[in-house]
Amino acid sequence: KAGVTQTPRYLIKTRGQQVTLSCSPISGHRSVSWYQQTPGQGLQFLFEYFSETQRNKGNFPGRFSGRQFSNSRSEMNVSTLELGDSALYLCASNRGLGGANYGYTFGSGTRLTVV
Amino acid sequence: AQTVTQSQPEMSVQEAETVTLSCTYDTSESDYYLFWYKQPPSRQMILVIRQEAYKQQNATENRFSVNFQKAAKSFSLKISDSQLGDAAMYFCAYRSSDGAQKLVFGQGTRLTINP
Repeated sequence: KAGVTQTPRYLIKTRGQQVTLSCSPISGHRSVSWYQQTPGQGLQFLFEYFSETQRNKGNFPGRFSGRQFSNSRSEMNVSTLELGDSALYLCASNRGLGGANYGYTFGSGTRLTVV
Repeated sequence: AQTVTQSQPEMSVQEAETVTLSCTYDTSESDYYLFWYKQPPSRQMILVIRQEAYKQQNATENRFSVNFQKAAKSFSLKISDSQLGDAAMYFCAYRSSDGAQKLVFGQGTRLTINP
């Protein structure tokens, strides 16, 4: 079956702009999580959605937001981009309802560069 | 808050030999899950092995095994018969069983396989 699909793979944006990243989970997976990966801070949890509801949120400013659709696809949005938002954004899915205990399936990420 | 520490930023091993990657964590919980993920240059995080804290038996997946020492809060990964395809960044991750639905990652260890 198809894995977790993230689009686009690469993105270059200008400071002050906004950006939307997309994640399509594995079919049947209802939970989608987002992580930011940078050389300095490593992997940090952004938020997690299950059945269109945000269940958990990491310690990020309000410029970072997300949503999940009825088909479990998720988007994350970053408004008023800053240079420090340059990172690899990873999406992970699991079936939910205890499925996370068995690990998450990750996508290949979106590399965002802010100039 | 839980923290995960990987004290070896880089490791190298000769092909066909055995290597052990270290991971320690800090938590006050008694029930949790631990994971090792591999991130090759393709950027996708791949689950290598998982351990449930309430199980004393160390997990094994083919050439990969862990040494889980709950009292010492240590979770090392042993790779036997190293192969060139094992070269990647390896991340140790912690997940609480409290429903927080997030992974806390270590800083990673870059593993190089010498032919």
